[in-house]
Amino acid sequence: EPEVTQTPSHQVTQMGQEVILRCVPISNHLYFYWYRQILGQKVEFLVSFYNNEISEKSEIFDDQFSVERPDGSNFTLKIRSTKLEDSAMYFCASSEATGSGELFFGEGSRLTVL
Amino acid sequence: GDSVTQMEGPVTLSEEAFLTINCTYTATGYPSLFWYVQYPGEGLQLLLKATKADDKGSNKGFEATYRKETTSFHLEKGSVQVSDSAVYFCALSDFGNEKLTFGTGTRLTIIP
Repeated sequence: EPEVTQTPSHQVTQMGQEVILRCVPISNHLYFYWYRQILGQKVEFLVSFYNNEISEKSEIFDDQFSVERPDGSNFTLKIRSTKLEDSAMYFCASSEATGSGELFFGEGSRLTVL
Repeated sequence: GDSVTQMEGPVTLSEEAFLTINCTYTATGYPSLFWYVQYPGEGLQLLLKATKADDKGSNKGFEATYRKETTSFHLEKGSVQVSDSAVYFCALSDFGNEKLTFGTGTRLTIIP
């Protein structure tokens, strides 16, 4: 069964460092998303991406964050200068279309900022 | 803004017990409601959904009914199995898109 894969599963970094989280969405999906969950808190929407551009982003997704689809398979989330409060589980998701609410999520990448 | 509140976990039940995980919501529009499940070592996956009042979503023996009058979407299963052990997330979409608002998740453990 097709699945969304994410790497790394866990990354530890120093505050101020750049981090890139990688995702391989399901191959025929056209819409891509990043969500995150700070420990003990709710899963929060960060950004949606379609046709090589951001379609919507949340207030959390400030100038420190960027997304890119550098080739036909990868979808990346970059955090330019990490802060302690960026420590969270980051989930990538994809969907074939919009309107159904059905997203296919990866296992998540746990980011720990020291 | 939109929000989802779900039962705090963790929840531990014996096999064949009845399960209820409560979920209530606030939304500005007329949302679609979802339950997602995350099994150990896997990503979140859609368990069931309902798009209008009084709709009942069902899958794998789980059910949830969209109750507009109580703004609730409680998840139920009559007889749980060890394989149901997972984290369950209630979520809504207010504009029919994939910008989902999630609850915190409820960890369910079923013991034999």
